[in-house]
Amino acid sequence: QLQLQESGPGLVKPSETLSLTCTVSGDSISSSSSYWGWIRQPPGKGLEWIGTIYYSGTTYYNPSLKSRVTISIDTSKNQLSLKLSSVTAADTAVYYCASQYCSGGSCYGYIYYYMDVWGKGTTVTVSS
Amino acid sequence: SYELTQPLSVSVALGQTARITCGGNNIGSKNVHWYHQKPGQAPVLVIYRDNNRPSEIPERFSGSNSGNTATLTISRAQAGDEADYYCLVWGSTSWVFGGGTKLTVL
Repeated sequence: QLQLQESGPGLVKPSETLSLTCTVSGDSISSSSSYWGWIRQPPGKGLEWIGTIYYSGTTYYNPSLKSRVTISIDTSKNQLSLKLSSVTAADTAVYYCASQYCSGGSCYGYIYYYMDVWGKGTTVTVSS
Repeated sequence: SYELTQPLSVSVALGQTARITCGGNNIGSKNVHWYHQKPGQAPVLVIYRDNNRPSEIPERFSGSNSGNTATLTISRAQAGDEADYYCLVWGSTSWVFGGGTKLTVL
């Protein structure tokens, strides 16, 4: 059974870089049938897509965060990572990683790969 | 950027049918996915590609999508269906979530 687990510091200082890791178990992160994404949720608010990576290293980022985000993948460890630079209090959120899968129709193209299985999330607070 | 509009809240009597809408410009031309999220938990996929259910989701959950509105329908609502519900689409340059709807079962 596919499982994802986020990990990283729960507290980051303003202007510094937030770094999180997502460990995947139950499937290979090198599987050609999945993409891997990061999503966040500020306290009491809705969900925001941050970005997605394929095992080949191809990345897709939310245009509103693109200048500050780097997502990478380590196939040897079955992990993906998120780095968000120059953080402010507005980046305080629960951060989720998720597998992105395609089923039920054409899968010709990244846009058909919806968020499927989610990790439990990790809370990151930006504060001095 | 593409925008999705959901009602902030929907109430339904126990055992009745709840309908949660997700509005967007020509959303009928897009694939819509739905999630529920209970307090303190991660979102869970309940409908993918407009009207497909993951195997573990009850048949009471169904979806439709046409024109400018997608709808998640929950039949025979149960107390355990109380949650926040989010729609998701690919908005041409990024994944876009609706603002979320809080479902209350009375």
